[in-house]
Amino acid sequence: DAKTTQPPSMDCAEGRAANLPCNHSTISGNEYVYWYRQIHSQGPQYIIHGLKNNETNEMASLIITEDRKSSTLILPHATLRDTAVYYCIVRVQTQGGSEKLVFGKGTKLTVNP
Amino acid sequence: DGGITQSPKYLFRKEGQNVTLSCEQNLNHDAMYWYRQDPGQGLRLIYYSQIVNDFQKGDIAEGYSVSREKKESFPLTVTSAQKNPTAFYLCASSIAVKREAKNIQYFGAGTRLSVL
Repeated sequence: DAKTTQPPSMDCAEGRAANLPCNHSTISGNEYVYWYRQIHSQGPQYIIHGLKNNETNEMASLIITEDRKSSTLILPHATLRDTAVYYCIVRVQTQGGSEKLVFGKGTKLTVNP
Repeated sequence: DGGITQSPKYLFRKEGQNVTLSCEQNLNHDAMYWYRQDPGQGLRLIYYSQIVNDFQKGDIAEGYSVSREKKESFPLTVTSAQKNPTAFYLCASSIAVKREAKNIQYFGAGTRLSVL
């Protein structure tokens, strides 16, 4: 019951910007978009999150469209160490009133030398 | 240094055996979670706990059990009732479970469980 759609794989040249898209057309007005990445055989790593405004931190930038139905994660200067699976996540409310992260299959980003 | 520690990194289970995976955090987080990941798949929620002495079933709780006797610890037992336990198990924690922007989940390095 993932609420997001991502391409299964993407390639990027080392040193170039990697732009990873995500569709979340059913997102509610007060739901945040979270991005995580998972390097092979490691635990997922938090990257960034946002609600309406574009966000930037030391790892990446997050661009959210005005209608909030899609977003793009930007890695400005991709390195080989950025090769990973990137997950775009919207929290889902549970029956008990709590919330959970629902991970889809993500986008496998391969950064090529 | 602060973080989430999972042990062991690799674990082997014999048929009919229960095994327990350890998860400890020193982040002073109230909420803790267990996920299962199968090859090429995303993470699926097994159990989560919002506070000490309380836990809730996730999407795939059958064949698993948990306890939350201490804030820092959330062990997961894979019972013999779990017929397909081979997977990568991930533990996470966050400040809270409910709707807050700061509810960022931080993950451990995982335990890889295999059946002998």
